[in-house]
Amino acid sequence: ETGVTQSPTHLIKTRGQQVTLRCSSQSGHNTVSWYQQALGQGPQFIFQYYREEENGRGNFPPRFSGLQFPNYSSELNVNALELDDSALYLCASSKNRGTNEKLFFGSGTQLSVL
Amino acid sequence: EDQVTQSPEALRLQEGESSSLNCSYTVSGLRGLFWYRQDPGKGPEFLFTLYSAGEEKEKERLKATLTKKESFLHITAPKPEDSATYLCAVQARGSSNTGKLIFGQGTTLQVKP
Repeated sequence: ETGVTQSPTHLIKTRGQQVTLRCSSQSGHNTVSWYQQALGQGPQFIFQYYREEENGRGNFPPRFSGLQFPNYSSELNVNALELDDSALYLCASSKNRGTNEKLFFGSGTQLSVL
Repeated sequence: EDQVTQSPEALRLQEGESSSLNCSYTVSGLRGLFWYRQDPGKGPEFLFTLYSAGEEKEKERLKATLTKKESFLHITAPKPEDSATYLCAVQARGSSNTGKLIFGQGTTLQVKP
């Protein structure tokens, strides 16, 4: 059983650029959630995708967008990067959406915006 | 506003010295409270889910308890390999179909041999 994998592991961008982060969910999981974790803070919910549809969204602006593919892998896209977007971006998959499903996290993508 | 606060922010223990981590929460209807462990450079790893006040769960040297306002993670006779950041998170009833978890800022535990 493969776990959640994210790519790339590290990324450096400049302000105003666009970035795409990728996530492969754990085998048998149809739901993917994305979280942003700033240094020294807990993760913050960005959004969740279930069967290729956005299923819920946190307090993030529209320049944060996502996709989920038929194989349940997912992308997080961030446009017009700002310095405050520098953080660890975590992807988590679960067997099904919502109620008390255990989340399996990847190791994250460390994004630095200069 | 739903909120989770963890204390202390950092904790240093000697090997074998038991202690507790606190997670205080305010949420509009608790659906579940979660504990995760996060090692440096890795994503959080699931430890426990608690659903109602009075519930307790154990795993090796860890025991999680829940009241109506807070949760404790008790660490008995810790070992250096227990060193990590421990994250507490809640799921509100209104978010139960979105999977949204609200995390605290974490407690970083260091256990010295």
